[in-house]
Amino acid sequence: ETGVTQTPRHLVMGMTNKKSLKCEQHLGHNAMYWYKQSAKKPLELMFVYNFKEQTENNSVPSRFSPECPNSSHLFLHLHTLQPEDSALYLCASSRTTSASGDEQFFGPGTRLTVL
Amino acid sequence: DQQVKQNSPSLSVQEGRISILNCDYTNSMFDYFLWYKKYPAEGPTFLISISSIKDKNEDGRFTVFLNKSAKHLSLHIVPSQPGDSAVYFCAASGGNDMRFGAGTRLTVKP
Repeated sequence: ETGVTQTPRHLVMGMTNKKSLKCEQHLGHNAMYWYKQSAKKPLELMFVYNFKEQTENNSVPSRFSPECPNSSHLFLHLHTLQPEDSALYLCASSRTTSASGDEQFFGPGTRLTVL
Repeated sequence: DQQVKQNSPSLSVQEGRISILNCDYTNSMFDYFLWYKKYPAEGPTFLISISSIKDKNEDGRFTVFLNKSAKHLSLHIVPSQPGDSAVYFCAASGGNDMRFGAGTRLTVKP
């Protein structure tokens, strides 16, 4: 399998649930990203990992917890979310971080609904 | 603080004509600019980019123009095809930061 994959594609959860989003890239990239896309809003960069080390955390609430066990896998652990967290969550990867202007390769996203 | 803006949420163009998508940014530290295209139920895919040291980059039917003094870039698609119908995102990067615009939905009518 090639490219960037994300599972699940759709997720419905209650505010007290704990769930995890998974992202996997088979491109040999060293940087991975989590983005949030809410309706009619720009993509919001949440987390950046470069060589498994977190290099950016754009003031994301602690109810979102990323994990990067290796350069091919990225998780986003979710707990006690709010309805306003409902959005499309996109994972991306690139050869290095955006400092070099490398294009990012995106996964198809996970559509999250928080009830 | 929206540092990258796409002020037109939608654009409709006739097949064969030129499509021009615009993007403005506020941060002069951005040094790379990229355009992504997104179809429904898919993630964005990279289309074309330009470094801040250039003012034009062309790839087939797609040309990106950068006006640094105006902090403005545009994507030209000539000729437009129905398969180009998608949401187009402008992005700007600098340092460890990447910012996206809200997107412009392009519809190319046959």
